[in-house]
Amino acid sequence: DIVMSQSPDSLAVSLGERATINCKSSQSVLYSSNNKNCLAWYQQKPGQPPKVLIYWASTRESGVPDRFSGSGSGTDFTLTISSLQAEDVAVYYCQQYYAIPLTFGGGTKVEIK
Amino acid sequence: EVQLVESGGGLVQPGGSLRLSCAASGFTFSGNWMHWVRQAPGKGLVWVSRISSDGSDTKYADSVKGRFTISRDNAKNTLYLQLNSLRAEDTAVYYCTAFMAGRPGWGQGTLVTVSS
Repeated sequence: DIVMSQSPDSLAVSLGERATINCKSSQSVLYSSNNKNCLAWYQQKPGQPPKVLIYWASTRESGVPDRFSGSGSGTDFTLTISSLQAEDVAVYYCQQYYAIPLTFGGGTKVEIK
Repeated sequence: EVQLVESGGGLVQPGGSLRLSCAASGFTFSGNWMHWVRQAPGKGLVWVSRISSDGSDTKYADSVKGRFTISRDNAKNTLYLQLNSLRAEDTAVYYCTAFMAGRPGWGQGTLVTVSS
């Protein structure tokens, strides 16, 4: 199984400041057929399903504010919130969809400092 | 617009059974492999099962193998998960998910509670 290691477990950032979440996979999730990384980022608020933010490691989902961006390739990935807003308080997960079983990072809780 | 709508959750006693459904629309259901993912209260996301587009190939997490069965009806655009021999640790919100050309889609989930 591909293990997804996410860091930090929690993060407190001031409003308007940058938040950075890291995700590392135990093996490459680069799909050779299209040279894209099978890596998604989700935002989850209490009582709600996961919301897709980013897929293919860096493609922003339609309707997601451009303060959210994804980067990285191979085994190391980053989700950046460029200017944290109050509504961004949530738990964030990374997920690989390169292989079965699909696996998720343990989550990063983002709060306001 | 992609829509995935789960149903069938509820309260069931240990050892009992439930059948979850996921109604799909807004994409070519018959052309996509489908997954179930669950989330226990206060915990993270865990993959449960996957089925190929024609239903011929299925995979399960070790924790549910032999107890859960995934299936689909492409004529009805519906995915199913039969849950048998339920245990307290199966208590979770169950989500159906799909990847349409690598773009994920998720339902809103259905809660399964296993308790006496």
